[in-house]
Amino acid sequence: LAKTTQPISMDSYEGQEVNITCSHNNIATNDYITWYQQFPSQGPRFIIQGYKTKVTNEVASLFIPADRKSSTLSLPRVSLSDTAVYYCLVAEPYNTDKLIFGTGTRLQVFP
Amino acid sequence: EPEVTQTPSHQVTQMGQEVILRCVPISNHLYFYWYRQILGQKVEFLVSFYNNEISEKSEIFDDQFSVERPDGSNFTLKIRSTKLEDSAMYFCASKGGRQETQYFGPGTRLLVL
Repeated sequence: LAKTTQPISMDSYEGQEVNITCSHNNIATNDYITWYQQFPSQGPRFIIQGYKTKVTNEVASLFIPADRKSSTLSLPRVSLSDTAVYYCLVAEPYNTDKLIFGTGTRLQVFP
Repeated sequence: EPEVTQTPSHQVTQMGQEVILRCVPISNHLYFYWYRQILGQKVEFLVSFYNNEISEKSEIFDDQFSVERPDGSNFTLKIRSTKLEDSAMYFCASKGGRQETQYFGPGTRLLVL
């Protein structure tokens, strides 16, 4: 399973765009990149998943460059309720079922 | 929107007692999981379950742990003889197909005294 590296913490203000970058230098050909969000004392919540280029949904965008060695989660116009821990995970769904969570990025949004 | 549910939300037990944590996965999902998160630490994989059998388990999932899908809707985690270090949040997750996303429940906070 590819190891991921992401910043331990980030601060932002309401209304700003937040970009969290994750490094996964050893990503394998069949690996997908998935981001989860976790609020205190709650289960991880799926945000977005992608394989290459750009994926967008109603919550976020995920940018993946051609070499796929990194990815960037973009949260447009964050609010206080976006304060949470964000996890980047890389896994190949046909080889393993388990998700390996790192320490994530703790995003703090200020008013 | 369908969601994974877990009961109880909190459980306090004495060391050495058996506990059963319950989960109702999303209807029509086929793959089921348990994870745990000790306070202040990472979310850790425990076990995955598909087609009525364990498909993968971690080193944490020793003989004290077992899982069961007793009927068409419930998925349970049993800890036979709890230890202090079993105190954690336990999350159930499910997904519909092999390549699909895992959806997590709200968790059960287990405290072993």
